[in-house]
Amino acid sequence: DSGVTQTPKHLITATGQRVTLRCSPRSGDLSVYWYQQSLDQGLQFLIQYYNGEERAKGNILERFSAQQFPDLHSELNLSSLELGDSALYFCASSATEGHEAFFGQGTRLTVV
Amino acid sequence: AQTVTQSQPEMSVQEAETVTLSCTYDTSESDYYLFWYKQPPSRQMILVIRQEAYKQQNATENRFSVNFQKAAKSFSLKISDSQLGDAAMYFCAYRSVGPNNAGNNRKLIWGLGTSLAVNP
Repeated sequence: DSGVTQTPKHLITATGQRVTLRCSPRSGDLSVYWYQQSLDQGLQFLIQYYNGEERAKGNILERFSAQQFPDLHSELNLSSLELGDSALYFCASSATEGHEAFFGQGTRLTVV
Repeated sequence: AQTVTQSQPEMSVQEAETVTLSCTYDTSESDYYLFWYKQPPSRQMILVIRQEAYKQQNATENRFSVNFQKAAKSFSLKISDSQLGDAAMYFCAYRSVGPNNAGNNRKLIWGLGTSLAVNP
């Protein structure tokens, strides 16, 4: 158990809908990262938050947004969903001076 | 921009044998970290081993070891005495060291993975 919790584990929704993925980082970790794992593009960095503030953006679509709350949990919001958004979405957390990231079990999103 | 390449989409090994997974990367940075992550069917992303670029000594974790060749930008993973539980996708990943301030972007840059099968 990495200590990073993601909910839900599975999500099936229709095109055009909006969903929210939730992540609770390891106790004490201030950094949260979101990654998307799709079959054709591998793992892609989406966005990073540190102690409530956005720190870096990767290949995140404008239809997607995220935030980190005062209790350090983070949410990734995906809207106007398309079939191509079907993927495994990972959250990872790391300590301030830590070297490695610890991953949650991911949320499998299927858009039908 | 940094890139990571895993040239072996699939590999197989007999139980108890040794297998080596390849990874090459491209960077202009002199200091960085390299990782191997394992993703079993459970989908959990599990850290296998980590290498700091400034260290010449190859990292070792039990049956897992790396061959880090900085000049060649190569970072291969050797699994000794392979076990059935080693069957998984293995990902090589790169991370910049970044400036020494809290919250600097430590995003991982990933290879496409190698699927390892372990045959009994």
